[in-house]
Amino acid sequence: GAVVSQHPSWVICKSGTSVKIECRSLDFQATTMFWYRQFPKQSLMLMATSNEGSKATYEQGVEKDKFLINHASLTLSTLTVTSAHPEDSSFYICSATRQGRYTQYFGPGTRLTVL
Amino acid sequence: DAKTTQPNSMESNEEEPVHLPCNHSTISGTDYIHWYRQLPSQGPEYVIHGLTSNVNNRMASLAIAEDRKSSTLILHRATLRDAAVYYCILRDRSNFGNEKLTFGTGTRLTIIP
Repeated sequence: GAVVSQHPSWVICKSGTSVKIECRSLDFQATTMFWYRQFPKQSLMLMATSNEGSKATYEQGVEKDKFLINHASLTLSTLTVTSAHPEDSSFYICSATRQGRYTQYFGPGTRLTVL
Repeated sequence: DAKTTQPNSMESNEEEPVHLPCNHSTISGTDYIHWYRQLPSQGPEYVIHGLTSNVNNRMASLAIAEDRKSSTLILHRATLRDAAVYYCILRDRSNFGNEKLTFGTGTRLTIIP
């Protein structure tokens, strides 16, 4: 099966600091990676889509200067939450797809708490 | 993507079959029906998908109505580990390569020991 990992699994930071979350496809090359955000008791909301070597495509209402996405290789994408505030506290989940495949594989998620 | 409608919650007894319904009356001919589930504090995981015919895999079965306007995910023998939120999602195969998933509210399945 295809495995996607995320690091860290949880992080606590102070307001105003930046936090980087990594998403890795461990046993396949991911042509496309996705970043979702999930608030408590709510469904997943897509934040952005990233393709290796190109700029991410952000969903409407998501600030691209606040949520920086880098997809530098076929196995790694990073999400940096800049100048984090308490309202950014959420569960961040990445997913990845293989080229030519339809199934999306999800990471275990990263819980961010901003104090 | 076309919209799906699922009950907010369902309960089932352990070791009994569970039928999770999904309505998708505006489904188009190019839409696949996908099911994902999300266990507590985890990312979603793929369960099954189909187009027209019923599908079986090691996790579940998918029964698709003849008019494709509804489908049912069947867990043949529920265990406590099946307690999760189940999402029914339509994906347009004509957008192959545009893999964006739109999650609805899903069905929260509770398994009673």
